Amino acid sequence: DIQMTQSPSALSAFVGDRATITCRASQSISNYLNWYQQKPGKAPKLLIYAAFSLQSGVPSRFSGSGSGTDFTLTISSLQPEDFATYYCQQSYNTPYTFGQGTKLEIK
Amino acid sequence: QVQLQESGPGLVKPSETLSLTCTVSGGSISSYYWSWIRQPPGKGLEWIGYIYYSGSTNYNPSLKSRVTISVDTSKNQFSLKLSSVTAADTAVYYCARVGVVPAAPYYYYYMDVWGKGTTVTVSS
Repeated sequence: DIQMTQSPSALSAFVGDRATITCRASQSISNYLNWYQQKPGKAPKLLIYAAFSLQSGVPSRFSGSGSGTDFTLTISSLQPEDFATYYCQQSYNTPYTFGQGTKLEIK
Repeated sequence: QVQLQESGPGLVKPSETLSLTCTVSGGSISSYYWSWIRQPPGKGLEWIGYIYYSGSTNYNPSLKSRVTISVDTSKNQFSLKLSSVTAADTAVYYCARVGVVPAAPYYYYYMDVWGKGTTVTVSS
């Protein structure tokens, strides 16, 4: 199985800050990488697919980059509704695997 | 727009079989892959498997011996059965649609529509 490792596990930031979350794959996955946002008690929501393609309806302050083994999710200017847990997920092969999550908290 | 709704017992006894159904509304189950994912309390996400509307399946090897995913296109539903459950199977279970974008020679897959999730507790 491909292991996905996110860093940091938790991040505190102010509204308006820029936030960056990193995801590393245990082998090259090209750009078969998705990002999800999950709020407490809610289902995950797709933000970005194929490493950098923004899902319809997702604000443009979210962006993704990377290829191979290293990927980044960036939120350019944090809004109150962005404080949540974020997961990366590889779809290079099955079993699909997720990172352990990054909890983004308001400072 | 497409909506998914999980249903099934919230409490299952150890060694029994967990059975859940996902009903697809607002669109057809045809021409898509459909997936099950679970999340133990306070933990991360685990992909269980997917099924194509035609019936072909792909399971997580860690659960493969206990998992069956099936589809009923006449009812616009797909289902999950997990046998011989233990307390470790206690989780929120989500169903999701698998979106696909061609990217020659492969495809990009991602879970773009999710159900709200249903909590299943394994306990006697």
